[in-house]
Amino acid sequence: ETGVTQSPTHLIKTRGQQVTLRCSSQSGHNTVSWYQQALGQGPQFIFQYYREEENGRGNFPPRFSGLQFPNYSSELNVNALELDDSALYLCASSLEGLTNTEAFFGQGTRLTVV
Amino acid sequence: GESVGLHLPTLSVQEGDNSIINCAYSNSASDYFIWYKQESGKGPQFIIDIRSNMDKRQGQRVTVLLNKTVKHLSLQIAATQPGDSAVYFCAENGWASNDKIIFGKGTRLHILP
Repeated sequence: ETGVTQSPTHLIKTRGQQVTLRCSSQSGHNTVSWYQQALGQGPQFIFQYYREEENGRGNFPPRFSGLQFPNYSSELNVNALELDDSALYLCASSLEGLTNTEAFFGQGTRLTVV
Repeated sequence: GESVGLHLPTLSVQEGDNSIINCAYSNSASDYFIWYKQESGKGPQFIIDIRSNMDKRQGQRVTVLLNKTVKHLSLQIAATQPGDSAVYFCAENGWASNDKIIFGKGTRLHILP
């Protein structure tokens, strides 16, 4: 177990709805990154949060947004859900400043959009 | 597009044999590479990493080789066990990426009894 927890584990939403996914980082880690993993693909970087601010973003539209809280936990929000948003959403926590090996992933949230 | 990619989507290996998973990258400026293992229903798990100033690194039963000339890296797993069954990703984490990890598509390792 990595100490990174995500909730919920599974979720079914209807096209057009909004969803919020949550992530608690590993103790001592202040950076949270979010990834989208479509079936049969590698994870794709969505964005990263450090000190409660977005610190880098991948090629995802603005309807993907996030938050980081003072306790370093994080939320991923997706508005106006589309069928292609169906995927496993992964959260990874790390400690900024250390080597890049220290990124630990949670088990993910499986989102299905119908 | 992605700068890392894998040669084969599926690899079947006899239990006890050595496994070799290959990966190619296109960005000659890439300076840090990571191998991840992802089991069914779980997130990616760090296996081993290597920096561009090295050509080989060994861990417990695993070795990563980096050939910068042909932009290729490989993961070798010695004495493959049933627990090694998973999807393996090579990934890149560039020096200016703030821990952004770029994953390839993955290779599924299947262990034959």
